[in-house]
Amino acid sequence: AQSVTQLDSQVPVFEEAPVELRCNYSSSVSVYLFWYVQYPNQGLQLLLKYLSGSTLVKGINGFEAEFNKSQTSFHLRKPSVHISDTAEYFCAVSDHQGGSEKLVFGKGTKLTVNP
Amino acid sequence: AAGVIQSPRHLIKEKRETATLKCYPIPRHDTVYWYQQGPGQDPQFLISFYEKMQSDKGSIPDRFSAQQFSDYHSELNMSSLELGDSALYFCASSLGGGRPGRYFGPGTRLTVL
Repeated sequence: AQSVTQLDSQVPVFEEAPVELRCNYSSSVSVYLFWYVQYPNQGLQLLLKYLSGSTLVKGINGFEAEFNKSQTSFHLRKPSVHISDTAEYFCAVSDHQGGSEKLVFGKGTKLTVNP
Repeated sequence: AAGVIQSPRHLIKEKRETATLKCYPIPRHDTVYWYQQGPGQDPQFLISFYEKMQSDKGSIPDRFSAQQFSDYHSELNMSSLELGDSALYFCASSLGGGRPGRYFGPGTRLTVL
């Protein structure tokens, strides 16, 4: 079974500072990895995904993530955050064996960008 | 681009009532997933359908049932509603057969009083 651990439940940063949201996963098979953003009272928006190939994945809104197989991590980064990045961020994993493609989510990290 | 559509967006029910949530996937997507997100919680997988057949089942209560229709839209039927069913219910769609994009709808917020 897969699981996802988001190491920080809350991350406060100042505007224009860099940010890293940490995500570790466990799985016995090859996985796909995703980051979603959820703004207050809204749905889940896909930020980026890793399927295969280059381990550095670039997403929307200036975010990027790096897949590290040896450390089973998929940390999300942005070099300079904006107030509008304040939201909850979910890391998720799905495996691509056995026919099940359901997502398993982490508990989320609430990013608060302060002026 | 067309997105996943869910209706209704908000629903208020009394305990022990029934509710039906609808999901219309992105055109040509043949796979639908349902998730439940309780207040302050991460989304939990309920059930999925591929080509109108149930493809996987998660933590869906026996009081809930779902199906996917010939036009690929899906309905989640919830009976004997309990206070704990109050949550945001997301539908996601993808093109099956090993293509793992996931596109979520805006969710239906169900409040059980």
